[in-house]
Amino acid sequence: KNEVEQSPQNLTAQEGEFITINCSYSVGISALHWLQQHPGGGIVSLFMLSSGKKKHGRLIATINIQEKHSSLHITASHPRDSAVYICAVLYTDKLIFGTGTRLQVFP
Amino acid sequence: NAGVTQTPKFQVLKTGQSMTLQCAQDMNHNSMYWYRQDPGMGLRLIYYSASEGTTDKGEVPNGYNVSRLNKREFSLRLESAAPSQTSVYFCASLSGALAFFGQGTRLTVV
Repeated sequence: KNEVEQSPQNLTAQEGEFITINCSYSVGISALHWLQQHPGGGIVSLFMLSSGKKKHGRLIATINIQEKHSSLHITASHPRDSAVYICAVLYTDKLIFGTGTRLQVFP
Repeated sequence: NAGVTQTPKFQVLKTGQSMTLQCAQDMNHNSMYWYRQDPGMGLRLIYYSASEGTTDKGEVPNGYNVSRLNKREFSLRLESAAPSQTSVYFCASLSGALAFFGQGTRLTVV
């Protein structure tokens, strides 16, 4: 059983659409990270959350600790947002990853 | 430049050969990690080091060893490479806020 589950696995959107990616986890965590992996393979950290909500540009991340759930939202999506978005949780010093959500945004 | 430096970027090994993947960070982070990424499986934790002088097994440690040489460096060694170790390997370090990743090593074992 995976400690971190993401949905959907694949997501296709038209430019301008509002996008939501979900992450559920089954362990007690000290933090949750959202990351982006570009088609070339590089991985970039987007957010670290331990509670509440964070916003950076068109990206919004929320976490509900009681429900063990986090969401990543992209407003006004753009083709350059096409990437794999990955949720990772930190517990007992281990950073454990979900399998990722592949997002494609078409013009 | 601040960040995580991982070498090499590409490597081809024959079955049974050994090699060491190097990782260094200059951000004074305590925690460092090694992952492998295989198609459809996401990043899986091989080994991690929560602080200088300590290392622990992750989800898939078999066939690997690590050394946390000092606070900056965390190396991953394959003593006798097997085709099942063909993968893309990532090193990461973690501060209180963000995780930083190396560029990845694409390893092929033939």
